[in-house]
Amino acid sequence: DAGITQSPRHKVTETGTPVTLRCHQTENHRYMYWYRQDPGHGLRLIHYSYGVKDTDKGEVSDGYSVSRSKTEDFLLTLESATSSQTSVYFCAISDTRDRVTQHFGDGTRLSIL
Amino acid sequence: KNEVEQSPQNLTAQEGEFITINCSYSVGISALHWLQQHPGGGIVSLFMLSSGKKKHGRLIATINIQEKHSSLHITASHPRDSAVYICAVSRRPHKIIFGKGTRLHILP
Repeated sequence: DAGITQSPRHKVTETGTPVTLRCHQTENHRYMYWYRQDPGHGLRLIHYSYGVKDTDKGEVSDGYSVSRSKTEDFLLTLESATSSQTSVYFCAISDTRDRVTQHFGDGTRLSIL
Repeated sequence: KNEVEQSPQNLTAQEGEFITINCSYSVGISALHWLQQHPGGGIVSLFMLSSGKKKHGRLIATINIQEKHSSLHITASHPRDSAVYICAVSRRPHKIIFGKGTRLHILP
């Protein structure tokens, strides 16, 4: 399995608080992605990164920011969490030679009360 | 209309049955993926297809580019095959559209 670690795996917090989720990889892959998964929806892309300090928005980026200061780490931040951001968040990575294949982390279950 | 549609949404079958899950898409693609998500939540890539057919163990995936349709088959199904199966299509780098998944439950 690809070396991807998401932390925390579970988090419960209150509306209005900042939250940061971390994705760490040991594969040295260039591309990293953050998705959210909600009932009734397929996985939806929040943000992605195509290199250190290079990031771009996905289809559901409002309310989220990301940072990538090192190849191995991709952080997703909710500056002021809202209940609509309660979801399961997945990080994924892909190799530069085959960007269409992605390997997924185990997910972070985030509940905003 | 969703760009990727899967059917059925839910499927319950007896152990040993032949299983077919379908995926139809409405956009041009560079590749189609089948993924498996187990009850614990982890997502694993099963196949990536751009044409024809691929087989891995008891799993077979086919794609018909002209008809914009793919099928995932499971032969001799087993309770451990119980999972959500997700179809996804790649349109260009970083643009992957996921279906909502098919929840499969195999009864012993």
